[in-house]
Amino acid sequence: GQQLNQSPQSMFIQEGEDVSMNCTSSSIFNTWLWYKQEPGEGPVLLIALYKAGELTSNGRLTAQFGITRKDSFLNISASIPSDVGIYFCAQRDSSNTGKLIFGQGTTLQVKP
Amino acid sequence: NAGVMQNPRHLVRRRGQEARLRCSPMKGHSHVYWYRQLPEEGLKFMVYLQKENIIDESGMPKERFSAEFPKEGPSILRIQQVVRGDSAAYFCASSPQRQNTEAFFGQGTRLTVV
Repeated sequence: GQQLNQSPQSMFIQEGEDVSMNCTSSSIFNTWLWYKQEPGEGPVLLIALYKAGELTSNGRLTAQFGITRKDSFLNISASIPSDVGIYFCAQRDSSNTGKLIFGQGTTLQVKP
Repeated sequence: NAGVMQNPRHLVRRRGQEARLRCSPMKGHSHVYWYRQLPEEGLKFMVYLQKENIIDESGMPKERFSAEFPKEGPSILRIQQVVRGDSAAYFCASSPQRQNTEAFFGQGTRLTVV
């Protein structure tokens, strides 16, 4: 079945630094989604990618859909304290029911 | 995601009791998904429902767990005879149509079994 491997598992960085995290899939699919989960909250969609090679930005966030269609990365530039949270990659399940498969998450901590 | 309402936010149950988790989807959304998040893990799909129908329950444990989405009222995730291993955060997501990837998540219910 689908498996998503996300790395790194956690990051502790200084405010102002850039951050990069990535996700790889055991299968080829047509969508990459990146979510952020803040403490005590549900996941919020940050960026959705729909085709290989696509590069999409949302403010200081940039995500790319890998050419092989088996990987994606998320970059955060000039990090700020409110970037703290858990970042998840996700894909739609192959059953076409709309359910999502999530990676294990990257926990980001930002030191002011 | 504020539009998807889950309650209670926190629920404490003793082993053997029943837990009922409620999810009111966003207005106009007829598709509901339930996910479970164990500590330090990602979200895992449990069940997908439309009004009055269970479409996909492949992620539901075989025993003690059930879900419904009646014609009127919220979707309910019910856990009977809870055990310590059921302690987790349970999230509900809703979308207006199946192919829409922009499902919106609620804030979750954190279940603690003591």
